[in-house]
Amino acid sequence: KNQVEQSPQSLIILEGKNCTLQCNYTVSPFSNLRWYKQDTGRGPVSLTIMTFSENTKSNGRYTATLDADTKQSSLHITASQLSDSASYICVVTDNQTGANNLFFGTGTRLTVIP
Amino acid sequence: DAGVTQSPTHLIKTRGQQVTLRCSPKSGHDTVSWYQQALGQGPQFIFQYYEEEERQRGNFPDRFSGHQFPNYSSELNVNALLLGDSALYLCASRIEGVSDTEAFFGQGTRLTVV
Repeated sequence: KNQVEQSPQSLIILEGKNCTLQCNYTVSPFSNLRWYKQDTGRGPVSLTIMTFSENTKSNGRYTATLDADTKQSSLHITASQLSDSASYICVVTDNQTGANNLFFGTGTRLTVIP
Repeated sequence: DAGVTQSPTHLIKTRGQQVTLRCSPKSGHDTVSWYQQALGQGPQFIFQYYEEEERQRGNFPDRFSGHQFPNYSSELNVNALLLGDSALYLCASRIEGVSDTEAFFGQGTRLTVV
Protein backbone atom coordinates (compact mmCIF):
# COMPACT_ATOMS: atom_id res chain seq x y z
CA LYS A 1 0.00 0.00 0.00
CA ASN A 2 1.30 3.44 -0.93
CA GLN A 3 1.83 5.44 2.24
CA VAL A 4 3.65 8.55 3.40
CA GLU A 5 4.45 9.00 7.08
CA GLN A 6 5.83 12.13 8.70
CA SER A 7 7.38 12.84 12.05
CA PRO A 8 7.08 14.51 14.39
CA GLN A 9 3.38 15.37 14.26
CA SER A 10 4.09 18.72 15.87
CA LEU A 11 7.11 20.73 16.89
CA ILE A 12 7.68 23.92 18.84
CA ILE A 13 11.02 25.73 18.51
CA LEU A 14 12.48 29.08 19.46
CA GLU A 15 12.98 31.70 16.79
CA GLY A 16 16.45 31.44 15.30
CA LYS A 17 16.86 27.73 16.03
CA ASN A 18 17.15 24.97 13.43
CA CYS A 19 14.88 21.96 13.02
CA THR A 20 14.55 18.84 10.91
CA LEU A 21 11.34 17.20 9.74
CA GLN A 22 11.21 13.58 8.58
CA CYS A 23 9.27 11.77 5.86
CA ASN A 24 9.20 8.01 5.14
CA TYR A 25 7.32 6.62 2.16
CA THR A 26 6.40 3.33 0.54
CA VAL A 27 5.11 4.75 -2.74
CA SER A 28 6.09 2.74 -5.78
CA PRO A 29 6.96 3.28 -8.54
CA PHE A 30 8.52 6.51 -7.32
CA SER A 31 8.49 9.64 -9.45
CA ASN A 32 9.34 12.55 -7.16
CA LEU A 33 8.96 13.91 -3.66
CA ARG A 34 7.96 17.44 -2.75
CA TRP A 35 7.82 19.34 0.47
CA TYR A 36 4.95 21.79 0.76
CA LYS A 37 4.34 24.55 3.28
CA GLN A 38 0.71 25.06 4.23
CA ASP A 39 -0.42 28.02 6.26
CA THR A 40 -3.58 27.48 8.28
CA GLY A 41 -6.66 27.45 6.06
CA ARG A 42 -4.63 27.98 2.88
CA GLY A 43 -3.52 25.77 0.03
CA PRO A 44 -0.08 24.10 0.11
CA VAL A 45 2.84 25.89 -1.55
CA SER A 46 5.77 23.91 -2.95
CA LEU A 47 9.16 24.38 -1.29
CA THR A 48 11.32 21.78 -3.03
CA ILE A 49 11.08 18.85 -5.43
CA MET A 50 13.37 15.84 -5.30
CA THR A 51 13.66 13.27 -8.07
CA PHE A 52 15.17 9.79 -7.81
CA SER A 53 18.71 10.90 -8.66
CA GLU A 54 18.85 13.90 -6.32
CA ASN A 55 20.19 13.70 -2.76
CA THR A 56 20.03 17.29 -1.58
CA LYS A 57 18.30 20.44 -2.70
CA SER A 58 18.17 23.85 -1.06
CA ASN A 59 15.71 26.71 -1.27
CA GLY A 60 16.91 29.56 0.91
CA ARG A 61 16.78 28.43 4.53
CA TYR A 62 15.12 25.15 3.52
CA THR A 63 17.24 22.11 2.65
CA ALA A 64 15.67 18.83 1.62
CA THR A 65 17.43 15.48 1.43
CA LEU A 66 16.34 12.25 -0.19
CA ASP A 67 17.59 8.69 0.30
CA ALA A 68 15.82 6.69 -2.40
CA ASP A 69 17.27 3.41 -1.11
CA THR A 70 15.75 3.73 2.35
CA LYS A 71 12.79 5.79 1.03
CA GLN A 72 13.37 8.59 3.48
CA SER A 73 13.46 12.36 3.12
CA SER A 74 14.11 15.20 5.50
CA LEU A 75 13.46 18.93 5.47
CA HIS A 76 15.91 21.05 7.43
CA ILE A 77 14.97 24.60 8.33
CA THR A 78 17.82 26.89 9.32
CA ALA A 79 17.58 29.99 11.50
CA SER A 80 13.81 29.69 11.91
CA GLN A 81 11.55 32.72 11.70
CA LEU A 82 8.09 33.34 13.14
CA SER A 83 6.72 33.16 9.58
CA ASP A 84 7.91 29.56 9.34
CA SER A 85 5.01 28.57 11.60
CA ALA A 86 2.90 26.34 9.37
CA SER A 87 2.24 22.72 8.47
CA TYR A 88 4.87 21.05 6.33
CA ILE A 89 3.56 18.29 4.13
CA CYS A 90 5.60 15.64 2.34
CA VAL A 91 4.00 14.62 -0.98
CA VAL A 92 5.21 11.69 -3.05
CA THR A 93 4.17 11.22 -6.66
CA ASP A 94 4.06 7.78 -8.24
CA ASN A 95 4.82 7.15 -11.86
CA GLN A 96 1.67 5.38 -12.96
CA THR A 97 0.79 5.73 -16.62
CA GLY A 98 -2.07 8.07 -17.40
CA ALA A 99 -2.46 9.88 -14.12
CA ASN A 100 0.11 10.67 -11.49
CA ASN A 101 -1.15 10.16 -8.00
CA LEU A 102 -0.06 12.45 -5.21
CA PHE A 103 0.34 10.69 -1.87
CA PHE A 104 0.24 13.04 1.08
CA GLY A 105 1.70 12.74 4.53
CA THR A 106 -0.40 14.08 7.40
CA GLY A 107 2.11 16.87 7.92
CA THR A 108 4.22 18.27 10.71
CA ARG A 109 2.80 21.27 12.49
CA LEU A 110 5.69 23.66 13.23
CA THR A 111 5.29 26.52 15.68
CA VAL A 112 8.10 29.06 16.01
CA ILE A 113 7.93 31.14 19.18
CA PRO A 114 9.83 34.33 19.99
CA ASP B 1 -0.55 34.75 -13.68
CA ALA B 2 -3.50 34.27 -11.32
CA GLY B 3 -2.50 30.75 -10.33
CA VAL B 4 -5.23 28.37 -9.18
CA THR B 5 -8.33 30.15 -7.99
CA GLN B 6 -11.17 28.62 -6.01
CA SER B 7 -14.57 29.95 -5.08
CA PRO B 8 -16.12 30.53 -2.71
CA THR B 9 -13.48 30.81 0.01
CA HIS B 10 -15.91 29.97 2.79
CA LEU B 11 -19.30 28.31 2.78
CA ILE B 12 -21.81 27.23 5.42
CA LYS B 13 -24.45 24.66 4.49
CA THR B 14 -27.10 22.69 6.32
CA ARG B 15 -27.01 18.92 6.57
CA GLY B 16 -28.82 17.36 3.59
CA GLN B 17 -28.20 20.28 1.25
CA GLN B 18 -26.13 20.25 -1.92
CA VAL B 19 -23.05 22.34 -2.63
CA THR B 20 -20.98 23.26 -5.70
CA LEU B 21 -17.37 24.36 -5.43
CA ARG B 22 -15.46 25.89 -8.34
CA CYS B 23 -11.86 25.85 -9.49
CA SER B 24 -10.00 27.68 -12.24
CA PRO B 25 -6.63 26.05 -12.97
CA LYS B 26 -3.36 27.84 -13.47
CA SER B 27 -2.96 29.16 -17.00
CA GLY B 28 -1.75 26.41 -19.32
CA HIS B 29 -2.74 23.59 -16.97
CA ASP B 30 -5.18 20.97 -18.22
CA THR B 31 -5.49 18.50 -15.34
CA VAL B 32 -7.47 19.27 -12.20
CA SER B 33 -7.57 17.25 -9.00
CA TRP B 34 -9.76 17.74 -5.95
CA TYR B 35 -8.80 16.95 -2.35
CA GLN B 36 -10.59 16.98 0.98
CA GLN B 37 -8.56 18.03 4.00
CA ALA B 38 -10.00 17.55 7.45
CA LEU B 39 -8.61 19.66 10.28
CA GLY B 40 -5.15 18.46 11.27
CA GLN B 41 -5.00 15.87 8.49
CA GLY B 42 -3.30 15.63 5.12
CA PRO B 43 -5.36 16.09 1.95
CA GLN B 44 -7.33 13.06 0.74
CA PHE B 45 -7.67 12.53 -3.02
CA ILE B 46 -11.28 12.78 -4.26
CA PHE B 47 -10.89 12.61 -8.05
CA GLN B 48 -8.99 13.93 -11.04
CA TYR B 49 -10.29 15.37 -14.31
CA TYR B 50 -8.52 15.43 -17.64
CA GLU B 51 -10.04 16.14 -21.05
CA GLU B 52 -13.42 16.71 -19.40
CA GLU B 53 -13.49 13.15 -18.06
CA GLU B 54 -13.10 11.78 -14.55
CA ARG B 55 -9.90 9.85 -14.93
CA GLN B 56 -9.22 8.68 -11.42
CA ARG B 57 -11.22 8.52 -8.21
CA GLY B 58 -10.35 8.12 -4.58
CA ASN B 59 -12.37 6.38 -1.88
CA PHE B 60 -15.30 8.79 -1.81
CA PRO B 61 -19.02 7.98 -2.19
CA ASP B 62 -21.08 8.82 -5.24
CA ARG B 63 -22.42 11.87 -3.40
CA PHE B 64 -19.20 13.48 -4.58
CA SER B 65 -19.27 14.26 -8.27
CA GLY B 66 -17.53 16.66 -10.56
CA HIS B 67 -17.20 18.17 -13.94
CA GLN B 68 -14.52 19.70 -16.12
CA PHE B 69 -15.35 22.29 -18.75
CA PRO B 70 -13.67 22.90 -22.13
CA ASN B 71 -11.67 25.79 -20.60
CA TYR B 72 -10.27 23.26 -18.06
CA SER B 73 -12.09 24.80 -15.11
CA SER B 74 -13.78 22.34 -12.81
CA GLU B 75 -16.61 21.95 -10.33
CA LEU B 76 -16.99 19.69 -7.32
CA ASN B 77 -20.53 18.83 -6.30
CA VAL B 78 -21.50 17.22 -3.03
CA ASN B 79 -25.08 16.03 -2.49
CA ALA B 80 -26.88 15.18 0.74
CA LEU B 81 -24.28 16.90 2.88
CA LEU B 82 -23.23 15.25 6.12
CA LEU B 83 -21.62 16.88 9.12
CA GLY B 84 -18.47 14.88 8.31
CA ASP B 85 -18.17 16.64 4.98
CA SER B 86 -16.97 19.75 6.81
CA ALA B 87 -13.41 20.30 5.61
CA LEU B 88 -11.08 22.38 3.50
CA TYR B 89 -11.53 21.42 -0.16
CA LEU B 90 -8.44 21.93 -2.26
CA CYS B 91 -8.13 22.06 -6.02
CA ALA B 92 -4.79 21.37 -7.69
CA SER B 93 -3.85 21.76 -11.33
CA ARG B 94 -0.93 20.60 -13.42
CA ILE B 95 0.10 19.96 -17.01
CA GLU B 96 -0.47 16.46 -18.32
CA GLY B 97 2.46 14.74 -19.94
CA VAL B 98 5.21 16.96 -18.54
CA SER B 99 7.85 15.13 -16.56
CA ASP B 100 8.00 16.10 -12.88
CA THR B 101 5.28 18.68 -13.40
CA GLU B 102 4.41 20.56 -10.25
CA ALA B 103 0.88 20.56 -8.90
CA PHE B 104 -0.23 24.06 -7.93
CA PHE B 105 -2.88 24.36 -5.27
CA GLY B 106 -5.63 26.89 -4.80
CA GLN B 107 -6.21 28.45 -1.40
CA GLY B 108 -9.13 26.15 -0.81
CA THR B 109 -12.81 26.39 0.06
CA ARG B 110 -13.66 25.99 3.73
CA LEU B 111 -16.99 24.13 3.89
CA THR B 112 -18.85 23.96 7.18
CA VAL B 113 -21.91 21.72 7.43
CA VAL B 114 -24.22 22.46 10.35
